[in-house]
Amino acid sequence: EAQVTQNPRYLITVTGKKLTVTCSQNMNHEYMSWYRQDPGLGLRQIYYSMNVEVTDKGDVPEGYKVSRKEKRNFPLILESPSPNQTSLYFCASSPRGPTYEQYFGPGTRLTVT
Amino acid sequence: AQSVTQLGSHVSVSEGALVLLRCNYSSSVPPYLFWYVQYPNQGLQLLLKYTSAATLVKGINGFEAEFKKSETSFHLTKPSAHMSDAAEYFCAVTTSSNTGKLIFGQGTTLQVKP
Repeated sequence: EAQVTQNPRYLITVTGKKLTVTCSQNMNHEYMSWYRQDPGLGLRQIYYSMNVEVTDKGDVPEGYKVSRKEKRNFPLILESPSPNQTSLYFCASSPRGPTYEQYFGPGTRLTVT
Repeated sequence: AQSVTQLGSHVSVSEGALVLLRCNYSSSVPPYLFWYVQYPNQGLQLLLKYTSAATLVKGINGFEAEFKKSETSFHLTKPSAHMSDAAEYFCAVTTSSNTGKLIFGQGTTLQVKP
């Protein structure tokens, strides 16, 4: 089944404790992206990767890192999480870029206390 | 830079009534426009997209949207609402320039009353 998977689905952590949210797609897509969803703000793009060689910041990259060492995986890293990073996170992928249909993962709900 | 504004964070309609969700965009170059739907506790899925081929775009589940350049709008409509249409709807914009950015609106929650 073609899909985007994220792990974990739910995570409660404490301020300053490094964490990684994994994202993997099995559709051989070039483009992958991370978003956070907050009430009243919609989805805001954190980072995107056009391919394994190109990664760039979205609109809200502060406090986040990403890595694209292979085509299928695009982990999101929070090296020192803070309470304002409590949010619902989505990973998405598409064949070639943002002009194509985005395929979204199921989301990761992160709470930082 | 592009931007998207969705007018109305909550819209309530009766079952069988017309659904109209509003989206206005800003873009200095020809845009690609999308509507995505998010059902409770799920990720987003594509309803329809505009890529300049035709101004009236038909999507899944009976939804359609019309691109109006003069009004910079891309409103989503459905003639007759069904209970299963209750969800959150997002408008999004990007361009064909060599950037990976995709900009979403704030979202509109559609409530369908029996």
